[in-house]
Amino acid sequence: QLQLQESGPGLVKPSETLSLTCSVSGGSISRSSFSWGWIRQPPGKGLEWTGTIYYRGSTYYNPSLKSRVTISVDTSRNQFSLNLNSVTATDTAVYYCARLLIAHDAFDIWGQGTMVTVSS
Amino acid sequence: SSELSQDPAVSVALGQTVRITCQGDSLRRYYGNWYQQKPGQAPVLVIYDEDNRPSEIPDRFSGSRSGDTSSLTITGAQAEDEADYYCNSRDSSGQHLVFGGGTKLTVL
Repeated sequence: QLQLQESGPGLVKPSETLSLTCSVSGGSISRSSFSWGWIRQPPGKGLEWTGTIYYRGSTYYNPSLKSRVTISVDTSRNQFSLNLNSVTATDTAVYYCARLLIAHDAFDIWGQGTMVTVSS
Repeated sequence: SSELSQDPAVSVALGQTVRITCQGDSLRRYYGNWYQQKPGQAPVLVIYDEDNRPSEIPDRFSGSRSGDTSSLTITGAQAEDEADYYCNSRDSSGQHLVFGGGTKLTVL
């Protein structure tokens, strides 16, 4: 049974870089039918797609974040990561990693989410 | 604001049928998917490609599309269906994914 688990600091200072890792267990990250994505949810608000990455490295980012976001994959560790630089308080959110069914543009398996607060 | 529009809140009496809608131009070209999110939990995919249900989702959940609007229907709503529901699809450019703003469903 595939599982995803987010990890990383829960507190980041303004102007610094938010870095999170999603560890995938119970299956390989290198399967051609899937991409891997990050979705965030500010407190009390809706879901926002951040970006997705294919195991071969091709990436797609939310245009509103594109200048600040980088998603990378490490197939040897079965992990993928999110870096968001120059953070402000508006980046405070629960960050979810999830598996994307490429043929359907649907996220079918999600991590439990990790809360990241941007504050000095 | 999102390219996919949802009513912020909908209510339904226990055991009755409710339809939650998602509107956007991109839905004329791309399929919509639906997620259920309960407080403090990660979203769960309940419908994909407009009208397909993952095996673990009860058959009272169904989906459809008409023009630029995708719909999620719950037939015989249960108390445990009270949750936030989000649609997702591609944006108008077709290059990026997008979520609707979400609908809070209350089961009375």
